[in-house]
Amino acid sequence: SQQGEEDPQALSIQEGENATMNCSYKTSINNLQWYRQNSGRGLVHLILIRSNEREKHSGRLRVTLDTSKKSSSLLITASRAADTASYFCAPTYNTDKLIFGTGTRLQVFP
Amino acid sequence: DAGVTQSPTHLIKTRGQQVTLRCSPISGHKSVSWYQQVLGQGPQFIFQYYEKEERGRGNFPDRFSARQFPNYSSELNVNALLLGDSALYLCASEQGYMNTEAFFGQGTRLTVV
Repeated sequence: SQQGEEDPQALSIQEGENATMNCSYKTSINNLQWYRQNSGRGLVHLILIRSNEREKHSGRLRVTLDTSKKSSSLLITASRAADTASYFCAPTYNTDKLIFGTGTRLQVFP
Repeated sequence: DAGVTQSPTHLIKTRGQQVTLRCSPISGHKSVSWYQQVLGQGPQFIFQYYEKEERGRGNFPDRFSARQFPNYSSELNVNALLLGDSALYLCASEQGYMNTEAFFGQGTRLTVV
């Protein structure tokens, strides 16, 4: 399967804490993208990291990529209740489609 | 700039009926993709169209079809609806057609009864 596998499936934290979620994949990629989905709504693109990059930042988000281990992590620092959502990784290949796993459901309690 | 717009937002259909979902991409985007998301799962790729040509097709039966119009808007058509077709249908637009950031609409929630 070409989809990414997110881990953990669910994560509950308090506001102000950091949240880390991981993504593993099986074959070489062109890039890897992270998306957020608030309950039952459309996905929002967070970060795209290319296969030759190791780390990327966007505001409170930090994404790392380890191509030797075929894994990526998404760190959200100083979480807020508004960060409550499902987070999906999408490893991308020489194809035309995004392949999503089942995601990590993050719950941030006030 | 308007984002990706989908219509309708909600729809209830009966088994065996046919449904058409619509999507308008972001202005300047020439690629439209369709995804199906059933409850508790990630979105599954159905189709991609780029410059009005089909560029990719997922593992869905022939009951699913789509097209893209000269203004780059798109329609997804599903015939002979089954209960299992109940899902959130998402449309995404991109500037290119491969390995670029995708912008998603809010989806159409289809319920088949």
